[in-house]
Amino acid sequence: AQSVAQPEDQVNVAEGNPLTVKCTYSVSGNPYLFWYVQYPNRGLQFLLKYITGDNLVKGSYGFEAEFNKSQTSFHLKKPSALVSDSALYFCAVRDMNAGSGNTPLVFGKGTRLSVIA
Amino acid sequence: KAGVTQTPRYLIKTRGQQVTLSCSPISGHRSVSWYQQTPGQGLQFLFEYFSETQRNKGNFPGRFSGRQFSNSRSEMNVSTLELGDSALYLCASRNRGTYLEQYFGPGTRLTVT
Repeated sequence: AQSVAQPEDQVNVAEGNPLTVKCTYSVSGNPYLFWYVQYPNRGLQFLLKYITGDNLVKGSYGFEAEFNKSQTSFHLKKPSALVSDSALYFCAVRDMNAGSGNTPLVFGKGTRLSVIA
Repeated sequence: KAGVTQTPRYLIKTRGQQVTLSCSPISGHRSVSWYQQTPGQGLQFLFEYFSETQRNKGNFPGRFSGRQFSNSRSEMNVSTLELGDSALYLCASRNRGTYLEQYFGPGTRLTVT
């Protein structure tokens, strides 16, 4: 069964500093990996995804993520944090090799990012 | 293109009642998934529909059910509501292709008293 772990419930970072939100995953085959962000009282917004190819994926709002197969990780990064980046971040995985797509997208429990001015 | 819409946005029900939530996917999207979000459990998968067929089901009791119509709109129903069913219910749609991202609606906030 596939699973996602976000080891930090909360990440605090000063504005202008780089930020990292950690994610590790477990699938039996190869993964499709996604990052979403949720602002208060809103649904989830798609940030970026890894399907195949280059291990460094660039997404919306200056975010990027690095896929590391040997460490089964997909950490979200941004070179310079903004106060407006404060939100709840979710990592998600789907097993690429599970047949015709009949596996759900599985989410981590989320990491709350707080960017302090 | 209009995004995923969910109705109603807020709902207050009493224990024992039943509730129906509605989701309209992005035009052209044929897959609709439902999730329950609570502070303690995070995002938990309920079920996924594609072309009116349930493709996946999460680990929820039979009180939770869903369906999808020919226009891809979906409904979920919860019968005999319990206090623990209070949550944000999120609907997401995507086009065919397991590599494609899902697009989420704003959610329905259900409060059971």
